[in-house]
Amino acid sequence: DVKVTQSSRYLVKRTGEKVFLECVQDMDHENMFWYRQDPGLGLRLIYFSYDVKMKEKGDIPEGYSVSREKKERFSLILESASTNQTSMYLCASSLVLGGYEQYFGPGTRLTVT
Amino acid sequence: DQQVKQNSPSLSVQEGRISILNCDYTNSMFDYFLWYKKYPAEGPTFLISISSIKDKNEDGRFTVFLNKSAKHLSLHIVPSQPGDSAVYFCAASPLQGAQKLVFGQGTRLTINP
Repeated sequence: DVKVTQSSRYLVKRTGEKVFLECVQDMDHENMFWYRQDPGLGLRLIYFSYDVKMKEKGDIPEGYSVSREKKERFSLILESASTNQTSMYLCASSLVLGGYEQYFGPGTRLTVT
Repeated sequence: DQQVKQNSPSLSVQEGRISILNCDYTNSMFDYFLWYKKYPAEGPTFLISISSIKDKNEDGRFTVFLNKSAKHLSLHIVPSQPGDSAVYFCAASPLQGAQKLVFGQGTRLTINP
């Protein structure tokens, strides 16, 4: 079974703080994704990576950056957290980019005060 | 521009009856479609998929129907069970090429005993 783990389930940060969200997958998947989920908006893609050190912007990359130094690990960075980044953050991985199912972690509920 | 739309934010069904969740899309390049199920405080889990060469795919109590001419897909759950209460997301992707999944807004299904 694919396992995708996220470093924190719940996180509370202050406005202006730098925030790191980490994601690890154990199935040697090439592709990894970061989404945020907000009520009424579904899952929106922030960034994705199809290889180590490779990254592509998703639909809402503003205010975020990512890092993928190892195949199994994909980090999402909020350089200066703002209240509008309060959300559920979901990491996923897959074998093939598009056309195959993505496997999701349990999510991190981030609150920025 | 919402390329994948789930126009019903919520649906309530009696236990044992059929649940029908609908999804519309606008991009004619999409040719692979997936349904995900999400419980609160958990990540989405893959449920069932269909490619455009088919118009129906069945897996136990779950059946997905695809109408390419109408750019419409639906998920049927029969019989509905209380454990089916969750948020359901449809997602779409072109099968070829380096593309990402595009998700709908989600439909919250409640199964009443």
